[in-house]
Amino acid sequence: GQQVMQIPQYQHVQEGEDFTTYCNSSTTLSNIQWYKQRPGGHPVFLIQLVKSGEVKKQKRLTFQFGEAKKNSSLHITATQTTDVGTYFCAEARVGGADGLTFGKGTHLIIQP
Amino acid sequence: NAGVTQTPKFQVLKTGQSMTLQCAQDMNHNSMYWYRQDPGMGLRLIYYSASEGTTDKGEVPNGYNVSRLNKREFSLRLESAAPSQTSVYFCASSEVRYEQYFGPGTRLTVT
Repeated sequence: GQQVMQIPQYQHVQEGEDFTTYCNSSTTLSNIQWYKQRPGGHPVFLIQLVKSGEVKKQKRLTFQFGEAKKNSSLHITATQTTDVGTYFCAEARVGGADGLTFGKGTHLIIQP
Repeated sequence: NAGVTQTPKFQVLKTGQSMTLQCAQDMNHNSMYWYRQDPGMGLRLIYYSASEGTTDKGEVPNGYNVSRLNKREFSLRLESAAPSQTSVYFCASSEVRYEQYFGPGTRLTVT
């Protein structure tokens, strides 16, 4: 079945350092969504990318969708303790209504 | 608006017991979903409902049944719980191909 691979599994950074997580697929993705889950919480939607080469920014967060639509990345500039959590990428399949296929997530751990 | 609500928040079952997880949304979304989250596995789709009156299997449906009671409510039933079903269960809703809104989750332990 289709798979969305996400790396790294864990990332330790010092507060103020940058952070990047990558999402890769062997097949062309129809779209990519990014979610954040705080420890003990539920996934919260961050953004959706649809177009080849798309780049979107939300304050310190930058999201990119590859030109071939087979990879995506989330970059956080100057991490803060509020950024702690697990970041997931997910694909909504072509049909749309049949759920998301999630990557396994990247756990961001920030040391003050 | 409450968004997506789930009950119960926590549950402990013995092997072989049955239970129903409840989910409701007040955003008038057509699509609803059940996922399970296990350590190191991300979220995996159990069942989904594209609209009232329809349900379909996701990636890991074995051992579960669902009911889309009306547009607001989507329940997940474990007929005979097994330790392998120990997990955190999330319900979500959305409009097609848009962001999904997740409930707070049910933490289920089967002993």
